[in-house]
Amino acid sequence: QKEVEQNSGPLSVPEGAIASLNCTYSDRGSQSFFWYRQYSGKSPELIMFIYSNGDKEDGRFTAQLNKASQYVSLLIRDSQPSDSATYLCAVMGGATNKLIFGTGTLLAVQP
Amino acid sequence: GAVVSQHPSWVICKSGTSVKIECRSLDFQATTMFWYRQFPKQSLMLMATSNEGSKATYEQGVEKDKFLINHASLTLSTLTVTSAHPEDSSFYICSIRQDNTGELFFGEGSRLTVL
Repeated sequence: QKEVEQNSGPLSVPEGAIASLNCTYSDRGSQSFFWYRQYSGKSPELIMFIYSNGDKEDGRFTAQLNKASQYVSLLIRDSQPSDSATYLCAVMGGATNKLIFGTGTLLAVQP
Repeated sequence: GAVVSQHPSWVICKSGTSVKIECRSLDFQATTMFWYRQFPKQSLMLMATSNEGSKATYEQGVEKDKFLINHASLTLSTLTVTSAHPEDSSFYICSIRQDNTGELFFGEGSRLTVL
């Protein structure tokens, strides 16, 4: 089992719709959870981080964490074509203090 | 503005040569820096953790003699790919951790192509 799992996609949504990106992790002791956006050929950029169970909202983005289910998600409201990118879920803590990335989900927002 | 400066952004070299990549923290001192490698259409794989003033900690499967890491100051870490071969062609990305907040910042990445 991979430490951090994501559906590779592509996930295609129409402009203005809600995009839902999901991630599961194996280390139950993980403490910190991050969502990064990566455009092709570029370095990842941090969108959000979440530490506690529940929802965390920042503009059009909402991160959701359920530690009991070892599940973290990212919702993007009012999706725009500029949101088209690969979204990387990353998890830190637990057995190590390293940031472990999932393989990423490619999001395509159709105009 | 940028928090991390990584240089060079891209490099092409001949097989057998060595290439040095620099990662510089611009805004704060970074005791810990991380080096990642990303192959096309794959995720970031942690190569090693660089600690200022001590030896780097390498991940399983990463050859420490091939990927030399030096973290001589609180603002600079370097990764040297020694005797590079075409299979070393990849996107190398450094990351720094802000000591007091734990937040991670990524460099712009360095794309290495070995001919």
